[in-house]
Amino acid sequence: QVQLQQESGPGLVKPSETLSLTCTVSGGSVITGSYYWTWIRQPPGKGLEWLGYIYFDGTTSYTPSLRGRVTISLDVAKNQFSLKLNSVTPADTAVYYCAKDSFGVVTLWGQGSLVTVSP
Amino acid sequence: DIQMTQSPSSLSASIGDRVTITCRASQDISNHLAWYQQKPGRVPKLLIYGASTLFSGVPFRFRGSQSGTEFTLTIDSLQPEDVATYYCQKYSVTPRTFGPGTKVEVK
Repeated sequence: QVQLQQESGPGLVKPSETLSLTCTVSGGSVITGSYYWTWIRQPPGKGLEWLGYIYFDGTTSYTPSLRGRVTISLDVAKNQFSLKLNSVTPADTAVYYCAKDSFGVVTLWGQGSLVTVSP
Repeated sequence: DIQMTQSPSSLSASIGDRVTITCRASQDISNHLAWYQQKPGRVPKLLIYGASTLFSGVPFRFRGSQSGTEFTLTIDSLQPEDVATYYCQKYSVTPRTFGPGTKVEVK
């Protein structure tokens, strides 16, 4: 059974720097199963925002509002996928979730990582 | 991009009440609509996909329906454990946009 484990990551990132998060997949390979490996975030007290995905074949799709700042990548050797968001501002403060998207819907979520952007 | 709206933004109901939440898409998304439940402090969970198909393990009191671009999540008999925020999400095309959410509380 596939599980997602988010690394603790840097809880605090300074404005203009790059936010980096990694999600480790266990119980299955990131390149099998036709899954979309997805990142979603949730600012404190607010709703869910879909950020983008990377397909098992390496194809990516990103939300238009972050295009140019966001990159999602696969590390097949480590069975991980990662999120990089550059030039962050306080508006990027959120809980970031990695997720497994099966046929379009999220069927599995990581535990979430709170990232605060502050000087 | 296709926009998703939800109504109401919050509601309060009594245990045993029928609760209805509406999600509207700004364009045709076929039946590519999912509903998620997020309890306070918890990770969201999938309830329904394909507008009306119950995900494995979800109680039968949750129902989804569709009329054109309007989608409805119904809780047939509200239970205390249903206190949560409910989100719709369209997945017809990217971006896979979420609705703004509906917070359900018990009176």
